[in-house]
Amino acid sequence: GNSVTQMEGPVTLSEEAFLTINCTYTATGYPSLFWYVQYPGEGLQLLLKATKADDKGSNKGFEATYRKETTSFHLEKGSVQVSDSAVYFCALSDRGNQGGKLIFGQGTELSVKP
Amino acid sequence: DSGVTQTPKHLITATGQRVTLRCSPRSGDLSVYWYQQSLDQGLQFLIQYYNGEERAKGNILERFSAQQFPDLHSELNLSSLELGDSALYFCASSAPQGGGGEKLFFGSGTQLSVL
Repeated sequence: GNSVTQMEGPVTLSEEAFLTINCTYTATGYPSLFWYVQYPGEGLQLLLKATKADDKGSNKGFEATYRKETTSFHLEKGSVQVSDSAVYFCALSDRGNQGGKLIFGQGTELSVKP
Repeated sequence: DSGVTQTPKHLITATGQRVTLRCSPRSGDLSVYWYQQSLDQGLQFLIQYYNGEERAKGNILERFSAQQFPDLHSELNLSSLELGDSALYFCASSAPQGGGGEKLFFGSGTQLSVL
């Protein structure tokens, strides 16, 4: 079945450091890929998405490129801030399946120190 | 604010009991999803409803059931509760989007503690 694997956390960085959170997936067909973020005490929020190979999703300085050849969707940010501290989830859904469920990775906790 | 409302925010109960979690989706969203989040299992998909009909089923126990009502709100019923059912239960909603790439809007969750 479809699955998502993320690098284990927690990841601790200093402010302004470069961030990479690795995400790889296994899926049949052509899934859409997502990154969601969960701040303490809140529900998940969509951070960015990509719906086909070579698409780059971006938002709030975060980027991820849909790499079909390596089945990856790594999250990157050039300069993290303390306010980026949260849990990040990589997810996929079956393309073309309207209202389809998302399959999430285990989540990676990011802690940014001043 | 995602527009998805979950009640109650916290629930404390005893083993063997039955509880009902409620979710009101965003206005106009036809799909409702239930997820369970725990430290050891991560975020697990339980079940999805679309316009009142069950659309997909995930790792939902037989002791759990759900339904979506004509006004599109949904309830998740958990019965014969066990200690291991303690978790954060999220509801999410979405609207159909062509070509996939559907965006889910999550509620703040119901924290269930089974003592």
